[in-house]
Amino acid sequence: EADIYQTPRYLVIGTGKKITLECSQTMGHDKMYWYQQDPGMELHLIHYSYGVNSTEKGDLSSESTVSRIRTEHFPLTLESARPSHTSQYLCASSEYGGGNTEAFFGQGTRLTVV
Amino acid sequence: AQSVTQLGSHVSVSEGALVLLRCNYSSSVPPYLFWYVQYPNQGLQLLLKYTSAATLVKGINGFEAEFKKSETSFHLTKPSAHMSDAAEYFCAVSDSLNKFYFGSGTKLNVKP
Repeated sequence: EADIYQTPRYLVIGTGKKITLECSQTMGHDKMYWYQQDPGMELHLIHYSYGVNSTEKGDLSSESTVSRIRTEHFPLTLESARPSHTSQYLCASSEYGGGNTEAFFGQGTRLTVV
Repeated sequence: AQSVTQLGSHVSVSEGALVLLRCNYSSSVPPYLFWYVQYPNQGLQLLLKYTSAATLVKGINGFEAEFKKSETSFHLTKPSAHMSDAAEYFCAVSDSLNKFYFGSGTKLNVKP
């Protein structure tokens, strides 16, 4: 059982609100990721981190921001939520390796902006 | 650049029938390939991974996949479908920096 946790699981929020999606892992993994998933679409990488104080934007442009102050914690923030941000957000982590290490996923946060 | 194509967004099989989910990859280097399963309102769970040790990879829940370099394929199979196999399945490839690229997923429906 992977030890990676996301909160909240579901969030309905009004337009213009600031939100933070939490992600924590207890496996000591250096690499962490945020993916955005829409129905019927592939997972799109929006942010990743190789370790503390390292953050990079992914292949899909996103208005969200992330921080990595502690190894185990990788929160995602939207300063002003909009309906276009409605989606499922998946957090993942992996050991540092040459590509042959799998990613472990949290259960996701389903965000609805009304 | 890495990419993955999954043929068939929906696959329907009868219980007890063979499951075949298709995945083709594009990679400029020897690939690391993965199959994940996602149940409703859940995250992704690893089924199996190919890391060049053996071309036929066995995973959990009776699934296996065969890496075919000549066909750039990594299809997922299971000899006999069970109702509990109904879920969405994602093929993924990772690069040397551990960035994962996912296909668009295949929803498997198992009919009684």
